[in-house]
Amino acid sequence: EDKVVQSPLSLVVHEGDTVTLNCSYEVTNFRSLLWYKQEKKAPTFLFMLTSSGIEKKSGRLSSILDKKELFSILNITATQTGDSAVYLCAVEAQETSGSRLTFGEGTQLTVNP
Amino acid sequence: GAGVSQSPRYKVAKRGQDVALRCDPISGHVSLFWYQQALGQGPEFLTYFQNEAQLDKSGLPSDRFFAERPEGSVSTLKIQRTQQEDSAVYLCASSLALYIRAGQPQHFGDGTRLSIL
Repeated sequence: EDKVVQSPLSLVVHEGDTVTLNCSYEVTNFRSLLWYKQEKKAPTFLFMLTSSGIEKKSGRLSSILDKKELFSILNITATQTGDSAVYLCAVEAQETSGSRLTFGEGTQLTVNP
Repeated sequence: GAGVSQSPRYKVAKRGQDVALRCDPISGHVSLFWYQQALGQGPEFLTYFQNEAQLDKSGLPSDRFFAERPEGSVSTLKIQRTQQEDSAVYLCASSLALYIRAGQPQHFGDGTRLSIL
């Protein structure tokens, strides 16, 4: 059974801090790993990672994948109160009938002013 | 619209009632997915369509759950004889292609929050 574990489950920081969110996985026929941000509504797409060691970057957010050690990290630098959200990690497995995402529990990030 | 649209946003039903949840995917998106998200948990896969074909329904928790996408666009998730454990947010997602490719991830709707009394 495919499994995704995120840590920490909850994190409280002050504005300006840098945070690192962790995601480890066990999946058969790995195809990709995705990060989403969820603020009470729809999860919004952040990154998709398929290759090891290649950093994806968008503004203050960046992410990297290690397919040998089966984990990914999401970094947020100079955090702002608007970064407060649940960050979800999901893996896609390649299956004959299509694709499905297996999600972790999420990390609840709270950024205080 | 530009995004995935779900209705209703909130649904309250008494235990034993049937409910129907609607998803209108992004125009042209081939793949459509339903997920169930319990409070404080990540979404869990329910079922998947490619156009009108339901290719995977292994995540449906019981035979009370039924999904359809008859014309390959709008989808309906129906829950019969609802139970309290069905209370959750039901998320719909769509994607352009059969497999996730670079720049073509699953895009999610805001979900339907279902409460069973």
